[in-house]
Amino acid sequence: DIQLTQSPSFLSASVGDRVTITCRASQDIANDVAWYQQNTGKAPKVLIYAASRLQTGVPSRFSGSGSGTEFTLTISSLQPEDFATYYCHQAHSYPRTFGQGTKVEVK
Amino acid sequence: QVQLVQSGAEVKRPGASVKVSCKASGYSLAGHALHWVRQAPGQSLEWMGWINGGNGNTKCSQKFQGRVTFSRDTGANTAYMELSSLRSEDTALYYCARDNNDLLNGLLVDFMDVWGEGTTVTVSS
Repeated sequence: DIQLTQSPSFLSASVGDRVTITCRASQDIANDVAWYQQNTGKAPKVLIYAASRLQTGVPSRFSGSGSGTEFTLTISSLQPEDFATYYCHQAHSYPRTFGQGTKVEVK
Repeated sequence: QVQLVQSGAEVKRPGASVKVSCKASGYSLAGHALHWVRQAPGQSLEWMGWINGGNGNTKCSQKFQGRVTFSRDTGANTAYMELSSLRSEDTALYYCARDNNDLLNGLLVDFMDVWGEGTTVTVSS
């Protein structure tokens, strides 16, 4: 199975901060990565797919990059509604797997 | 409005089975695959498998092989996930999620674009 390791697991930040989350894959997964945001008690929501494609309706402050084994999700200016947990997910091979999550908390 | 509506919370004894439903509205189930993902309390997301809404073909994680069954009723526009031989470690929130895809540079990339609200399954004696 492909392992996805996110860093950091927890991140304290303030509104307006630039935030970067990294996801490393245990093997080459091309650009088959999506990023999901999950607020407490809610279902996940897709932000980015194919490593860098912004899902329709997602604010442009979210961006993704990377290919192969290293990927990043960047929030250019953190907003109050962005305090949540973020997961990377690989759609390259079965079984599909998720990272362990990165919780973005208020500093 | 495209949405997935799941069945209500379940409490089961160890060894029992549970069947969770996921009703699609605003689109035809036959036009998309549907994933099943679960999340144990305080844990990350875990992909269980998926069903092709059109032909009913399924694929599941080896972890659940022999214990999980995915099915769908296109007339009711509803998909189902049945998990048997339940144990305490199966206590989790179970989500269904629609698969969508995009053609990029000649390759199809897929992602989960619409999620149900989740169904809590509690396994306890």
